[in-house]
Amino acid sequence: DAMVIQNPRYQVTQFGKPVTLSCSQTLNHNVMYWYQQKSSQAPKLLFHYYDKDFNNEADTPDNFQSRRPNTSFCFLDIRSPGLGDAAMYLCATSRTPGGYNSPLHFGNGTRLTVT
Amino acid sequence: GQQVMQIPQYQHVQEGEDFTTYCNSSTTLSNIQWYKQRPGGHPVFLIQLVKSGEVKKQKRLTFQFGEAKKNSSLHITATQTTDVGTYFCAGRGQGAQKLVFGQGTRLTINP
Repeated sequence: DAMVIQNPRYQVTQFGKPVTLSCSQTLNHNVMYWYQQKSSQAPKLLFHYYDKDFNNEADTPDNFQSRRPNTSFCFLDIRSPGLGDAAMYLCATSRTPGGYNSPLHFGNGTRLTVT
Repeated sequence: GQQVMQIPQYQHVQEGEDFTTYCNSSTTLSNIQWYKQRPGGHPVFLIQLVKSGEVKKQKRLTFQFGEAKKNSSLHITATQTTDVGTYFCAGRGQGAQKLVFGQGTRLTINP
């Protein structure tokens, strides 16, 4: 089945130690998103790629970076994780930006713990 | 910027009771989508509404889009334990290129 796959499911990192989360998709969707979701909160959009075009949200800290080497893969790099970055990180895809007539397909998420 | 408010934040019902969550946008929307997130899971798309005044049904779930395209609701009739989870609305403003999520309504059910 076509899907969005995130690895790892759980990630523990130390304060200040760079960490990379990965996402792959077999849907061949043009848009890939990274969301941060903290407990009992809505997913918060960090940035998205529309094909190769990177779109950063204005309030996303510089500590968060992303790479999309090809259509199928997208990475989230946290350069110096702080305790406040502990959260669930959700990757999502859609055919068109904003999910218009094309809903978001989410991966299972990576739960990041910062010690 | 565009804001999407969702109420209530929490709702606890007895199994068999009805449930409704409401979503209000600060701006007119092009479309609104609803997602369900089970505890420990990821959001799963339920439905999209596009037309003013649109009503769609999925079994016991009824979705409405307001005439002014600024509000929406999800109503579940006769809740079952499988309905447990957090329901999010997500709206796209006219001319905007991203969905803005509401805060979600967490539904718990007493069997």
